[in-house]
Amino acid sequence: AAGVIQSPRHLIKEKRETATLKCYPIPRHDTVYWYQQGPGQDPQFLISFYEKMQSDKGSIPDRFSAQQFSDYHSELNMSSLELGDSALYFCASSLPGIGNTIYFGEGSWLTVV
Amino acid sequence: KQEVTQIPAALSVPEGENLVLNCSFTDSAIYNLQWFRQDPGKGLTSLLLIQSSQREQTSGRLNASLDKSSGRSTLYIAASQPGDSATYLCAVRSDISSGSARQLTFGSGTQLTVLP
Repeated sequence: AAGVIQSPRHLIKEKRETATLKCYPIPRHDTVYWYQQGPGQDPQFLISFYEKMQSDKGSIPDRFSAQQFSDYHSELNMSSLELGDSALYFCASSLPGIGNTIYFGEGSWLTVV
Repeated sequence: KQEVTQIPAALSVPEGENLVLNCSFTDSAIYNLQWFRQDPGKGLTSLLLIQSSQREQTSGRLNASLDKSSGRSTLYIAASQPGDSATYLCAVRSDISSGSARQLTFGSGTQLTVLP
């Protein structure tokens, strides 16, 4: 079965640079979520989209932005990167309705040096 | 604000044992609860989803229970195997009235090691 696809899987950037992560949800899933998991920490919710509109906002820094496109894929843009942004970034998707299982991708490892 | 706690933080058992992982949450106004498995450096694999109206869900050797009123869930793993070694996370989805129904709040996980 198709899963949530994230790219790139690994990314190394220098401080103050910009990074873009991409997420392709499971077909027919119209809701996309972004989570950040720092080393040894539990995943923290960043932002979510439903039908291409932002639906919820969590602890996403102002330096980050995200959007969902017409084909339902999503991109997380991170600017002015800081060392503390080094983390595993997860994208997840679900079918319409909040009672459905949320499926996570393998994550994108971002290392800021 | 919803807070999710998992006890114990780490657990080591010999192969073949049955075990229970615990999850508690502070706000009982949840929509559902989901158990995940995470292998080191990997993504989150959904194991079981329990709606707030349900008491338990089963999948193979896994059984998850939910006591919404007391803010507790347990994940029971029968006849544990070395391949079950991973971190297990529970996550709750708050009720729509809380204003944050579209996000999951995670616990810190229980790191399970099953010894051969």
